Amino acid sequence: GDSVTQMEGPVTLSEEAFLTINCTYTATGYPSLFWYVQYPGEGLQLLLKATKADDKGSNKGFEATYRKETTSFHLEKGSVQVSDSAVYFCALITGRRALTFGSGTRLQVQP
Amino acid sequence: DAGVIQSPRHEVTEMGQEVTLRCKPISGHDYLFWYRQTMMRGLELLIYFNNNVPIDDSGMPEDRFSAKMPNASFSTLKIQPSEPRDSAVYFCASAGREEGADTQYFGPGTRLTVL
Repeated sequence: GDSVTQMEGPVTLSEEAFLTINCTYTATGYPSLFWYVQYPGEGLQLLLKATKADDKGSNKGFEATYRKETTSFHLEKGSVQVSDSAVYFCALITGRRALTFGSGTRLQVQP
Repeated sequence: DAGVIQSPRHEVTEMGQEVTLRCKPISGHDYLFWYRQTMMRGLELLIYFNNNVPIDDSGMPEDRFSAKMPNASFSTLKIQPSEPRDSAVYFCASAGREEGADTQYFGPGTRLTVL
């Protein structure tokens, strides 16, 4: 079945540091890929998405590129802020229409 | 649009009691999803509807769980009887056909505690 593997957290960075959160997937067919973010006490918000190979999703300084050859969708940001502290979920969707999530990676950014 | 609305936001109940969680999707969306989040299992799909019809309920844990969508603007998830292992955050999400139904918008969740 479909699955998503994320790097375990927490990831602790200083403000303005470079961020990478690794995500790889296994899926039948050609999934769409997503990053969702969850701030404390809140629901999930879509951060970015990519629907086909080599697409790059971007939003709020975050980027991720759909790499079919490595089945990866790593999340990057050049300069993190304290306000980026949250839990980040990589996810995919196929014809089943329901999201399959990774386990989540907690990011803590220190001033 | 107000987004996906869930109620209650918090529910504390005793084992054996019936619990009903409610969701109002974004107007015009024709897909509705129920997910559960726990520390042990992460985020997992329970059930989803398309045009008010249940399509995939393979994630519903057991007969104690049931979900309905009587109309396009309302869905319920019921647990009867509740057990401590049902304690979790339950999320509702909706999606619209015009976006290919692959972008899901989540509600704030209901945090359920069963004592």
